[in-house]
Amino acid sequence: AIWMTQSPSLLSASTGDRVTISCRMSQGISSYLAWYQQKPGKAPELLIYAASTLQSGVPSRFSGSGSGTDFTLTISCLQSEDFATYYCQQYYSFPPTFGGGTKVEIK
Amino acid sequence: QVQLVESGGGLVKPGGSLRLSCAASGFTFSDYYMSWIRQAPGKGLEWVSYISSSGSTIYYADSVKGRFTISRDNAKNSLYLQMNSLRAEDTAVYYCARGLQSLPFFDYWGQGTLVTVSS
Repeated sequence: AIWMTQSPSLLSASTGDRVTISCRMSQGISSYLAWYQQKPGKAPELLIYAASTLQSGVPSRFSGSGSGTDFTLTISCLQSEDFATYYCQQYYSFPPTFGGGTKVEIK
Repeated sequence: QVQLVESGGGLVKPGGSLRLSCAASGFTFSDYYMSWIRQAPGKGLEWVSYISSSGSTIYYADSVKGRFTISRDNAKNSLYLQMNSLRAEDTAVYYCARGLQSLPFFDYWGQGTLVTVSS
């Protein structure tokens, strides 16, 4: 299985901040990476796939970059509704695996 | 609009069985690969199982292989997960999710159903 290291696990930020979350793979996965947002008590929602393709309806302040083993999710200007937990997920090979999550909390 | 609605969760004793269902609507179910993904209380996401659109290709996580069986009924727009020999570590919210582009990443998720394995 491909292991993923997502960092940081906790990120304290203020509205308007630019935040970045990293995901590192144990082996190269080309661009087969997705990012999800999950709010408490809710199902995850797809934000980005193919490392940098924004899912329909997702605000443009979200962006993804990277390929191979190192990937980044950036929120350019944090809004109140963005305080949530974010997960990366590789789908290059089975089993698909998720990162441990990054909780973005209000500073 | 796309909807996925899970049912069948509940409290079961270790060693017991449970069958989860996921009712799909708002899209052509038979065109899409589907998966089950779970989340233990306060923990992260864990992919459980995957089934192709026709049901001919199936994968399982090692943690459930030999105990869980995924299936689908395209005529009923439904996905299933038969869970046998349940363990305490299977306690989680179970989500069904639709795969996009026939790949195992997920554009729509159900609201989840809680499975609790406890004596």
